[in-house]
Amino acid sequence: RKEVEQDPGPFNVPEGATVAFNCTYSNSASQSFFWYRQDCRKEPKLLMSVYSSGNEDGRFTAQLNRASQYISLLIRDSKLSDSATYLCVVPTGTASKLTFGTGTRLQVML
Amino acid sequence: DGGITQSPKYLFRKEGQNVTLSCEQNLNHDAMYWYRQDPGQGLRLIYYSQIVNDFQKGDIAEGYSVSREKKESFPLTVTSAQKNPTAFYLCASSIGQAKPQHFGDGTRLSIL
Repeated sequence: RKEVEQDPGPFNVPEGATVAFNCTYSNSASQSFFWYRQDCRKEPKLLMSVYSSGNEDGRFTAQLNRASQYISLLIRDSKLSDSATYLCVVPTGTASKLTFGTGTRLQVML
Repeated sequence: DGGITQSPKYLFRKEGQNVTLSCEQNLNHDAMYWYRQDPGQGLRLIYYSQIVNDFQKGDIAEGYSVSREKKESFPLTVTSAQKNPTAFYLCASSIGQAKPQHFGDGTRLSIL
C-alpha cells in the first residue's frame, strides 16, 4: 500500500451538491492528519486538521477511521469557489515529515 | 503580518548554472521544508530542517543543497547536477514535528 493514496478524480458536481473524498494511508501509527486545498498554480493551504475521530468546520467535515486506515473529507452545499485540488497529508517515518497525497480534483459546476 | 516569503516568483536557469531560491519566515517556526511539485503530480520532499544548523535529506535531495544558518531562513540551491530542474518549488514551515505546514507562494524554475 502506498503511504498516502487518493482518487485523482476529477469529481464534477453541481453547485449545492454534497461530495466526499477518501484517502487511505499505510502508517498505522499516524496520530494526526491534514486536508489541504490547492488552487491551480498556487501553494497548498491548510483546510482542516484531524487529531481524533473527526473535525467539522462549517460546510466541511473530516472523519478518521483508524481501523480501516482512511480519512474522508465531506463538503456540503458545494460552491463554485470550492473547485480545487484537495490534498490528504499524513505524518510518516519518524513523524518529522509529512507525506502529501497526489490530490483529488473537484470541479463544481453551475 | 506573519508569513513565509519566497523569492523570486519566477527564475530561469542556464545549463551548468547553480541558482538559489530564497525562503524567509517570520512565524518563529523551528522546522522548515522544501518541496518540488511537477505538473499534475504531488509534492516531493527535497530537504527539511528541524532546527538551526541542522538539516536532513528528503526523498529527492540529489542535485540540491540547503543551509540553515538562521531560524528565519532556509535557502535552496539547485545545482548543475540537477538535470531536470524545471518545476514549482515550495517552501514550508511548521511549529514542530507532525504539525501543519504553512507554505510560501512558490518559485517557478525553468531552464533557458
